[in-house]
Amino acid sequence: QKEVEQNSGPLSVPEGAIASLNCTYSDRVSQSFFWYRQYSGKSPELIMSIYSNGDKEDGRFTAQLNKASQYVSLLIRDSQPSDSATYLCAVYNAGNNRKLIWGLGTSLAVNP
Amino acid sequence: EAQVTQNPRYLITVTGKKLTVTCSQNMNHEYMSWYRQDPGLGLRQIYYSMNVEVTDKGDVPEGYKVSRKEKRNFPLILESPSPNQTSLYFCASSFLYDRADGTEAFFGQGTRLTVV
Repeated sequence: QKEVEQNSGPLSVPEGAIASLNCTYSDRVSQSFFWYRQYSGKSPELIMSIYSNGDKEDGRFTAQLNKASQYVSLLIRDSQPSDSATYLCAVYNAGNNRKLIWGLGTSLAVNP
Repeated sequence: EAQVTQNPRYLITVTGKKLTVTCSQNMNHEYMSWYRQDPGLGLRQIYYSMNVEVTDKGDVPEGYKVSRKEKRNFPLILESPSPNQTSLYFCASSFLYDRADGTEAFFGQGTRLTVV
């Protein structure tokens, strides 16, 4: 089992719809969870971080964390073509050599 | 402006010719790392450093060297590059300890390396 798993996609949604991206992780003591967006050939950029159970909203983005189920998700409301990118889930555990563990990413395509 | 700066952005080289990719950050981060990214394999950590003069192997260290003589700089050295090191490389930095402002990684712009 991979440490951080994401559906590779592609996930295709129409413009204006809600895109839902999911991530599961195996290390129960993970402490911090991040969603990065990466356009093709560009560097990952942080869009959301979440540290405690529940929802965290920032503009059109909502991150949801459920530590009991070892599950973190990202919702993108009112999806725009500019949201088309690969979304990377990263999980941090201070005891794991302070290393971020990365999922392989989910490719999202927002169709006009 | 807080940033991680990598150079060069693009590099084509020949097998066996030593090269260095530079990385510098201005955020006083303790933790720095190098990743390579290949299609279908995601981000794989090559080396990391928790502080000056403290470096350690990541998941794919073979064929690479690093040094951390100053806190802000973390160069990646390929002593004898081979075609299987053709990849997209990223330098990243972050705070080492849990902080209120987070432990997320900040990435450089990337270096597209081709070894022929």
